Amino acid sequence: AQKITQTQPGMFVQEKEAVTLDCTYDTSDPSYGLFWYKQPSSGEMIFLIYQGSYDQQNATEGRYSLNFQKARKSANLVISASQLGDSAMYFCAMRETSGAGSYQLTFGKGTKLSVIP
Amino acid sequence: EAQVTQNPRYLITVTGKKLTVTCSQNMNHEYMSWYRQDPGLGLRQIYYSMNVEVTDKGDVPEGYKVSRKEKRNFPLILESPSPNQTSLYFCASTKLGLGQGIAYEQYFGPGTRLTVT
Repeated sequence: AQKITQTQPGMFVQEKEAVTLDCTYDTSDPSYGLFWYKQPSSGEMIFLIYQGSYDQQNATEGRYSLNFQKARKSANLVISASQLGDSAMYFCAMRETSGAGSYQLTFGKGTKLSVIP
Repeated sequence: EAQVTQNPRYLITVTGKKLTVTCSQNMNHEYMSWYRQDPGLGLRQIYYSMNVEVTDKGDVPEGYKVSRKEKRNFPLILESPSPNQTSLYFCASTKLGLGQGIAYEQYFGPGTRLTVT
């Protein structure tokens, strides 16, 4: 079973609108971390936001916020006021602390976001 | 400036010709790892290292070797490259903290685009 599922291969959003990128995860580890990364066409991986499994509040970083629903095992990324520069691939990832691969970051397959002027 | 460097950034080679992709970080991070990125598959971990002389397989280790003789360096070795190893490769590093290791951001190198003909 996939540990990280991103069900939207591609999405379009109008400039200045908000957009939600979906991410669901699967783990039996009580302690885990969820990350979102942005990959523009230039290829580098840019860290956006982090949410810990024990964090009481949803994480926010500027225009990025994470809608964390622990019971549903979802960690959706919300981008407010989309800009043309937000056009990129977005990856959800999870780090677990148990098992042989301790601290391994497991990635979803990504969502390609296109911002329309 | 905190960074992870990789060399070369682009490489075209032929089947069977041994190659090494170097990775170096200047943040004194304990944890380093290699990923490959293929279209539609996201990033998959090849190997990781928790510290000097401590390495272990990730999800797709076949055809690769690594070594960790110094804390800052983590080279990826392809002893006999094949066309199915054509991919975009990322090196990454993160620090490990007692109890909070899951929270630390993973820093990525700029990527190495490898083509094996």
